[in-house]
Amino acid sequence: ILNVEQSPQSLHVQEGDSTNFTCSFPSSNFYALHWYRWETAKSPEALFVMTLNGDEKKKGRISATLNTKEGYSYLYIKGSQPEDSATYLCAPGDGANNLFFGTGTRLTVIP
Amino acid sequence: DGGITQSPKYLFRKEGQNVTLSCEQNLNHDAMYWYRQDPGQGLRLIYYSQIVNDFQKGDIAEGYSVSREKKESFPLTVTSAQKNPTAFYLCASSPWDSLGDTQYFGPGTRLTVL
Repeated sequence: ILNVEQSPQSLHVQEGDSTNFTCSFPSSNFYALHWYRWETAKSPEALFVMTLNGDEKKKGRISATLNTKEGYSYLYIKGSQPEDSATYLCAPGDGANNLFFGTGTRLTVIP
Repeated sequence: DGGITQSPKYLFRKEGQNVTLSCEQNLNHDAMYWYRQDPGQGLRLIYYSQIVNDFQKGDIAEGYSVSREKKESFPLTVTSAQKNPTAFYLCASSPWDSLGDTQYFGPGTRLTVL
């Protein structure tokens, strides 16, 4: 079992603000880091998968970075919009492709 | 449309009864997974299967059973031995090509034990 910590637990931002969250995980036995977005009443949706130290991924206004040596990943949202409101989950994966999920960061974007 | 379906969306059962949650996928994925979510906790892995007729226990398998007779289907039975079965259950599937394969999730089943 990998102990995964996400912070903050929740946050509220104004529309147009940029924000970021943190995911911390043990750097040993690490193979890949997944980010998911989970909107209320929907299925979790994959955002990024990162495997290499220093990896950076971008999808529209959302981007993520990975530091495998120190065991953390950041997710950034630029110019938050109300449709970005969701819970963002990070999940490192082990050698069997099993994922270990954090409790998530619940983002609310206020119009 | 390709995807993962779970049924039913809401399920109620009396204490002491077994209940089976359905999960079907038409994505031609080899691997399938069952997770459980409780308030304030991350998703926890119950069982997973990488190939038909084979499955492994996850972190919290006690009180659950699964079968994988077909590639498309991975039903989960919550038995009366599960001490605290009320939870939200998510099924997922993924290809089994390489490490880092994305898992695709179904809409979930909320089980309430009365």
